[in-house]
Amino acid sequence: SQELEQSPQSLIVQEGKNLTINCTSSKTLYGLYWYKQKYGEGLIFLMMLQKGGEEKSHEKITAKLDEKKQQSSLHITASQPSHAGIYLCGAPGAGGSNYKLTFGKGTLLTVNP
Amino acid sequence: SQTIHQWPATLVQPVGSPLSLECTVEGTSNPNLYWYRQAAGRGLQLLFYSVGIGQISSEVPQNLSASRPQDRQFILSSKKLLLSDSGFYLCAWRTAGTGGEKLFFGSGTQLSVL
Repeated sequence: SQELEQSPQSLIVQEGKNLTINCTSSKTLYGLYWYKQKYGEGLIFLMMLQKGGEEKSHEKITAKLDEKKQQSSLHITASQPSHAGIYLCGAPGAGGSNYKLTFGKGTLLTVNP
Repeated sequence: SQTIHQWPATLVQPVGSPLSLECTVEGTSNPNLYWYRQAAGRGLQLLFYSVGIGQISSEVPQNLSASRPQDRQFILSSKKLLLSDSGFYLCAWRTAGTGGEKLFFGSGTQLSVL
């Protein structure tokens, strides 16, 4: 079965600093989703990547899927307290219409003002 | 637009009591529906998914069951709760078909079994 490992597990940064979160898969990725979660709340969709080398940006958050399609990174530029939360990567298995997502354990981001 | 409703938001139940969590989706037809559980230190675990009415697939053996009595309704149940059933339960949906669509999540139910 596919496993996703996220690093770091937790991260504390000062407001204004840049940061990167990584998601490494044990198998080839057929897509990669990034979500953000506030404690005790549902997941908010951030971005989806499908092609090797693909890079997407939304406001100050950029995500990239590497060429070999086994790793993705999420980069936040000039972090703000509003960026704090748990970031989760999720990936579908190969084929199938049920489209089950396997998730990493998440990265807890704290941004100090 | 599509929305997903999940309730209750929090629930405290004694060991051995029954459970029923409900999830409904509005604004779409024939969605794929999912139940995930998030437990401390274990990440998000897929419990059940459904591609249609009455069609339930279980991912892990457990004390829980799921049902889909209507196209846009997904229910998570237990006859007798265990302490290990505590966790944050999330319902999710996506449009059925080929891959690439987003998976949308409900706001979750925090279940504490005491």
